[in-house]
Amino acid sequence: QKEVEQNSGPLSVPEGAIASLNCTYSDRGSQSFFWYRQYSGKSPELIMFIYSNGDKEDGRFTAQLNKASQYVSLLIRDSQPSDSATYLCAVSSNDYKLSFGAGTTVTVRA
Amino acid sequence: DADVTQTPRNRITKTGKRIMLECSQTKGHDRMYWYRQDPGLGLRLIYYSFDVKDINKGEISDGYSVSRQAQAKFSLSLESAIPNQTALYFCATSERGIRNEQFFGPGTRLTVL
Repeated sequence: QKEVEQNSGPLSVPEGAIASLNCTYSDRGSQSFFWYRQYSGKSPELIMFIYSNGDKEDGRFTAQLNKASQYVSLLIRDSQPSDSATYLCAVSSNDYKLSFGAGTTVTVRA
Repeated sequence: DADVTQTPRNRITKTGKRIMLECSQTKGHDRMYWYRQDPGLGLRLIYYSFDVKDINKGEISDGYSVSRQAQAKFSLSLESAIPNQTALYFCATSERGIRNEQFFGPGTRLTVL
């Protein structure tokens, strides 16, 4: 069983602050790493993907990957109320299946 | 128009009934997946298909079956629905390749009474 664990929430941050989300995974053969955002009652939406060690920035989002530590993170800078959602970490190995974490719920306080 | 569609969007049924959930996609992707989501348990894979002739069980396939009618269509059936199959069901697609970026449909909320 491939395990993906996320830091337990909920995470509450003030508007304009940085939200930091963490994820660890058990399968060392994992190759692709994803962050999905899910609003309540809606479907997961892919917001970031990363395949190589290091940082990847896209707008206010930065994904960080450290394969040696089996760790992937997501930073949300200048958090907005519209960022309030559940964030799902997903990991893919060479079997082309995704394993998901349980999610971290983020609330941005105005 | 949405790239991945699911029908119905909501369904209430009774124990023992047969239910079919349908998924269609216009993304041209070869791979299709069915997941269920329960509060606090995240997304769990039910079945997946890498092409029309390829069907594979996921981690929670008991009580479910699937049919891949075409590249663009993948249906999930509950042969005899039971209350613990009450959940949110999602279809997802991805293109061939190693990166496996998956794109989700809007979901079907199923309630079994």
